[in-house]
Amino acid sequence: ELKVEQNPLFLSMQEGKNYTIYCNYSTTSDRLYWYRQDPGKSLESLFVLLSNGAVKQEGRLMASLDTKARLSTLHITAAVHDLSATYFCAVDGINAGNMLTFGGGTRLMVKP
Amino acid sequence: KAGVTQTPRYLIKTRGQQVTLSCSPISGHRSVSWYQQTPGQGLQFLFEYFSETQRNKGNFPGRFSGRQFSNSRSEMNVSTLELGDSALYLCASTATDYTDTQYFGPGTRLTVL
Repeated sequence: ELKVEQNPLFLSMQEGKNYTIYCNYSTTSDRLYWYRQDPGKSLESLFVLLSNGAVKQEGRLMASLDTKARLSTLHITAAVHDLSATYFCAVDGINAGNMLTFGGGTRLMVKP
Repeated sequence: KAGVTQTPRYLIKTRGQQVTLSCSPISGHRSVSWYQQTPGQGLQFLFEYFSETQRNKGNFPGRFSGRQFSNSRSEMNVSTLELGDSALYLCASTATDYTDTQYFGPGTRLTVL
């Protein structure tokens, strides 16, 4: 059974600081996705990582994938308040079709 | 392109009742997946439909069912509602490119009293 673990579950940081969210998964995967969820809202797609060593960047967020370690990271650079949200990673297991297994989410609060 | 739409957005039901939720995918997307989100269990996969056929099913009781129509619109049904069914139900449609990215609708917030 595929398991996905994120840490930390909660992250409070000051504006301007850097931090990394980690996502570990237990079995070989086809793809790894990162989503953002604002309170009371739906999930917004951020990144899809398709192969070992893949790196994607958008603004202050950068995601990477190490398939050998079964690890993805979401790095936040010089955080701003607008990045406050819950971030989820999700894994699409081999031969699992479009069945995503989600991590527990990381609630990020960026304080001015 | 219009996004994924879900109706209704909010629903209040009592135990024992049944409920039907609707989802319209992004135009051209043929795969629709359903997820349940609760504070305790997080995001859990319910089922996926592709071309009117259920392709994958998560670990939920038979009270949870779904279907897909020829225009790719999907419905999910929950019968004999229990208090624990209170959740945000999210529908996602899958991109037809190589990424298979799932795009989520706004969700239906179901409260069971």
